[in-house]
Amino acid sequence: AQSVTQLDSHVSVSEGTPVLLRCNYSSSYSPSLFWYVQHPNKGLQLLLKYTSAATLVKGINGFEAEFKKSETSFHLTKPSAHMSDAAEYFCVVSDRGSTLGRLYFGRGTQLTVWP
Amino acid sequence: DTEVTQTPKHLVMGMTNKKSLKCEQHMGHRAMYWYKQKAKKPPELMFVYSYEKLSINESVPSRFSPECPNSSLLNLHLHALQPEDSALYLCASSQDRAEPDTQYFGPGTRLTVL
Repeated sequence: AQSVTQLDSHVSVSEGTPVLLRCNYSSSYSPSLFWYVQHPNKGLQLLLKYTSAATLVKGINGFEAEFKKSETSFHLTKPSAHMSDAAEYFCVVSDRGSTLGRLYFGRGTQLTVWP
Repeated sequence: DTEVTQTPKHLVMGMTNKKSLKCEQHMGHRAMYWYKQKAKKPPELMFVYSYEKLSINESVPSRFSPECPNSSLLNLHLHALQPEDSALYLCASSQDRAEPDTQYFGPGTRLTVL
C-alpha cells in the first residue's frame, strides 16, 4: 500500500533563509514521487518529480528534492526562501504497482515566509 | 504547453439548480480526472476517465455526473447539491492513466452551494 507522511503541518522561515519540507513515503513498489505547490485559491503546480532516474531532483523556482530509499524520504529544500514561496506544499506518491495510476497525497505543509 | 483550463472560476448555486463545470486540455493527454478539495485538505479523487471511458468512480453521489465528450474535454454536471459540496473542484490530466504519470492540474472552480 502507498502512503505519504508530511512531518510538519506548518513551517515558518525568514526570507533569505533555507527551506526544508519533510516527507516520508511508504510504497510496495518502486515509487514515483512528486512535490506540488498550491498558492491560495489556485490549482496545484508541479514543482518536481522523481521517477527512478537521478536521486537528486531539481525543480522549478530553485527547489530540489533528494530521494533516499534507505530512509524512505523525499524532502524538499530550497537554499533561500522568497516571499512568493509562501503556499501549501503537497508531497505525493503515485501507485505504479497497479493499473489505477492513483496519486496519494500527504496532508500538506503550509509554508510561511516572514520578511 | 502544460495548461489545463477550467471554467467557470467561481460558481454559486442553490440546492435546486443544475450547473456544469468544464475542463479542457490540448496536450494530447488521454486520462482526465476530477478532484474535490476542501479547505486545508489535500485533493480527493472523484472520477477518472481513460480514453474517454469512465474507469474510476470513487463512490461519488449521483448528484455529480461526469461526462467526457472527447479526448480534450471533461465536464462535471451538478444537480441538487448540498451545502457540504461547497469546495474547490480541480481537473487534471495525464498522458496515460495505466502508467502513473505526471498529472497536470487546472486552476479549479470554487463552488459555493447555498
